[in-house]
Amino acid sequence: DSGVTQTPKHLITATGQRVTLRCSPRSGDLSVYWYQQSLDQGLQFLIQYYNGEERAKGNILERFSAQQFPDLHSELNLSSLELGDSALYFCASSPSVGGNYEQYFGPGTRLTVT
Amino acid sequence: AQTVTQSQPEMSVQEAETVTLSCTYDTSESDYYLFWYKQPPSRQMILVIRQEAYKQQNATENRFSVNFQKAAKSFSLKISDSQLGDAAMYFCAFERGGGADGLTFGKGTHLIIQP
Repeated sequence: DSGVTQTPKHLITATGQRVTLRCSPRSGDLSVYWYQQSLDQGLQFLIQYYNGEERAKGNILERFSAQQFPDLHSELNLSSLELGDSALYFCASSPSVGGNYEQYFGPGTRLTVT
Repeated sequence: AQTVTQSQPEMSVQEAETVTLSCTYDTSESDYYLFWYKQPPSRQMILVIRQEAYKQQNATENRFSVNFQKAAKSFSLKISDSQLGDAAMYFCAFERGGGADGLTFGKGTHLIIQP
């Protein structure tokens, strides 16, 4: 158990819909990362927040957005869903930023778009 | 932008034998970190080993060790005394020193352990 929690574990929804994925980082971690794992694209970095502020953006679509709240939990919002958005979405947390801090991954949320 | 290449989609090894997984990367950065992550069938991402680019000494964690060749931009993972529990997908990953853009992953190598 990494100490990072993600809810829900599974989500099934229809095309065009909007969903919210939630992540609670390890106690004391200030940095949260979101990753997408799909068969087509592999594992991709989406976005990073540090202490409530957006710090880095990766291959995140404009239909996707995220935020980190004052209690440091984070939410990833996916809208106008398409079949290709079906994937495993990971959240990871670390105490700070930089490769000298290990990223601890949550168990992921499996999103299926039908 | 950085790229990470794992040229072996699948590898198979006999239990108790040694196996080496290959990874090459491309970057113009001088300050960076390299990682190997394990993803078993449970899908949990588990850090296996980490290497700082500024360190010449190869990292070692129990049965896992790396061969870091900075000039060749190569970062292979050696698993000694392979165990059934080592069966998983293994991902090589890169992160810039400032951590400004998350982890860049390779496509992964599926490791099969033959009993």
